[in-house]
Amino acid sequence: AQSVTQLGSHVSVSEGALVLLRCNYSSSVPPYLFWYVQYPNQGLQLLLKYTSAATLVKGINGFEAEFKKSETSFHLTKPSAHMSDAAEYFCAVSYSNDYKLSFGAGTTVTVRA
Amino acid sequence: ETGVTQTPRHLVMGMTNKKSLKCEQHLGHNAMYWYKQSAKKPLELMFVYSLEERVENNSVPSRFSPECPNSSHLFLHLHTLQPEDSALYLCASSLILTDTQYFGPGTRLTVL
Repeated sequence: AQSVTQLGSHVSVSEGALVLLRCNYSSSVPPYLFWYVQYPNQGLQLLLKYTSAATLVKGINGFEAEFKKSETSFHLTKPSAHMSDAAEYFCAVSYSNDYKLSFGAGTTVTVRA
Repeated sequence: ETGVTQTPRHLVMGMTNKKSLKCEQHLGHNAMYWYKQSAKKPLELMFVYSLEERVENNSVPSRFSPECPNSSHLFLHLHTLQPEDSALYLCASSLILTDTQYFGPGTRLTVL
């Protein structure tokens, strides 16, 4: 069974600092990988997705993620945090012939002024 | 309206009430999903419809009853719920079953 692990349920960064959110998946089959963001009292918004075209994926709002097969990881980064980045972030995985998304438990990001 | 919309955004109901959640997608998609998001738990897939046919019923109690009258609308009918059913219920849609899912804002349900 596929699973997703997000390391750290809460991350606190200073405004302007690097944001790094970790995601590891368990699978021997190359997956499709997603990062979603959820702002308070809202639904999930797609940040970016990996579909095997390129290992470095650029998303919206200055976020990017790198697929590393050897590490089974898909960590999300943003070089400079903004106050508006405060939200909960979810990593998710699915496979080419399977609509089922498996979500990680989420990482809450707070940004300090 | 654009994207995926859900109504109501907030709902408080007693355990004996009957209510319905509505989801509408304006993206021309053919697949729709219901998820449950409880505090401190990963999102749980509840139901999946493709071209108005249910393709997934993920061991959901019968007090939750989905309905998909057409590819743009999805309902979740609720009756005799339990307090542990309190959660954020998210609707999503995708062009086809294996495509990227786009989510609505959710309905925050509280069962008293």
